[in-house]
Amino acid sequence: QVQLVQSGAEVKKPGASVKVSCKASGSSFNNYDINWVRQATGQGLEWMGWVSPNSDHTGYAQKFQGRVTMTRDTSVNTAYMELSSLRSEDTAVYYCATSVDVLTGHDSWGQGTLVTVSS
Amino acid sequence: QSVLTQPPSASGTPGQRVTISCSGSSSNIGSNNVYWYQQLPGTAPKLLIYRNDERPSGVPDRFSGSKSGTSASLAISGLRSEDEADYYCAAWDDSLSGRVFGGGTKLTVL
Repeated sequence: QVQLVQSGAEVKKPGASVKVSCKASGSSFNNYDINWVRQATGQGLEWMGWVSPNSDHTGYAQKFQGRVTMTRDTSVNTAYMELSSLRSEDTAVYYCATSVDVLTGHDSWGQGTLVTVSS
Repeated sequence: QSVLTQPPSASGTPGQRVTISCSGSSSNIGSNNVYWYQQLPGTAPKLLIYRNDERPSGVPDRFSGSKSGTSASLAISGLRSEDEADYYCAAWDDSLSGRVFGGGTKLTVL
């Protein structure tokens, strides 16, 4: 099963950009799409988008289109999510997660990255 | 406001059976698979149910899922104190071309 380790917490000013990384270890990272989900403190889960194994396909939630870019670097087994024009409402924990393995029913999640947007 | 509707809270006593509902529409639950996640405080979500009613290996059979029309349910039988967590349903939405989550249900074991 794939293990995902995300980059550390970030503090950004409004208007800035943040890039969160999600590094995979174990087998078969390139067999799965990567989804990004965020969660504001005390709030529910919010899907942001997905990126295919070779980054040739992406899909973003309408709310984030134009502000988010999801990519992968297969040479280092790492996925990235960059969010621009940050505002205070973007303060949240950001998770990466693999798509569900249709054979085993398992998926893998990163530990989460707290992004704080504050002036 | 979430596209999928869940009750904000549910509760039960140890040993009881509890059901959490998830209501959607023809563009999401009505035409796509439903997934259920458990989230313990301070941790990442954990997949409990995939493809409406299937359990990944390692998930106790106390957890079961079902779907009918545009609604789905998660049932937890033999409730235990460690089941106290937030539970989320999710599905793909064809109209939005994206994944949608329910607002989450906080389960309290009394």
